[in-house]
Amino acid sequence: EAGVVQSPRYKIIEKKQPVAFWCNPISGHNTLYWYLQNLGQGPELLIRYENEEAVDDSQLPKDRFSAERLKGVDSTLKIQPAELGDSAVYLCASSLGRGADTQYFGPGTRLTVL
Amino acid sequence: GENVEQHPSTLSVQEGDSAVIKCTYSDSASNYFPWYKQELGKGPQLIIDIRSNVGEKKDQRIAVTLNKTAKHFSLHITETQPEDSAVYFCAASRDTPLVFGKGTRLSVIA
Repeated sequence: EAGVVQSPRYKIIEKKQPVAFWCNPISGHNTLYWYLQNLGQGPELLIRYENEEAVDDSQLPKDRFSAERLKGVDSTLKIQPAELGDSAVYLCASSLGRGADTQYFGPGTRLTVL
Repeated sequence: GENVEQHPSTLSVQEGDSAVIKCTYSDSASNYFPWYKQELGKGPQLIIDIRSNVGEKKDQRIAVTLNKTAKHFSLHITETQPEDSAVYFCAASRDTPLVFGKGTRLSVIA
């Protein structure tokens, strides 16, 4: 069974530029999560989707971050414009259902903003 | 909201020894406690989890214990091997997305 797929794996951009990350969850998983992981820290939730609906986006900085999950399968997370402090690893995870279902993580996208 | 504290932040053990990592949580309603292992350049990988109706769970060399009264849970790795070297994260959840600890960097010295 294929795991969670993310691309790109690495991205280097200059500040004020836009950037987008893509995630394809495990087949059949209805819930998709985007997490932010700063160096030396645990993952922190940015947004959670149940199918195509964003059900928890309270931690998403909506002035510059946006996300979508069209058709309830793959998802895109966008930052526009990027700031120096956005340098981090962006992790995508998926689970079969919601709540206390096991979450499976992708390899992440490491973003460096110069 | 939930807050998870994890200790120690770094841990070095000799190969073959045991390693113990401890976490405390604040929300007494939390009912799901997974442990993840993260190797360099990879995403977190679930290694074991426990739910609030169970006090202990074991899977080969790995075990997790849960004390709901004290609101803490621990990861135990026995007979450590060099490939156990990684960062380990605990997390807690109450039917909501996971809240993670800050991680423990485990080094197993051959």
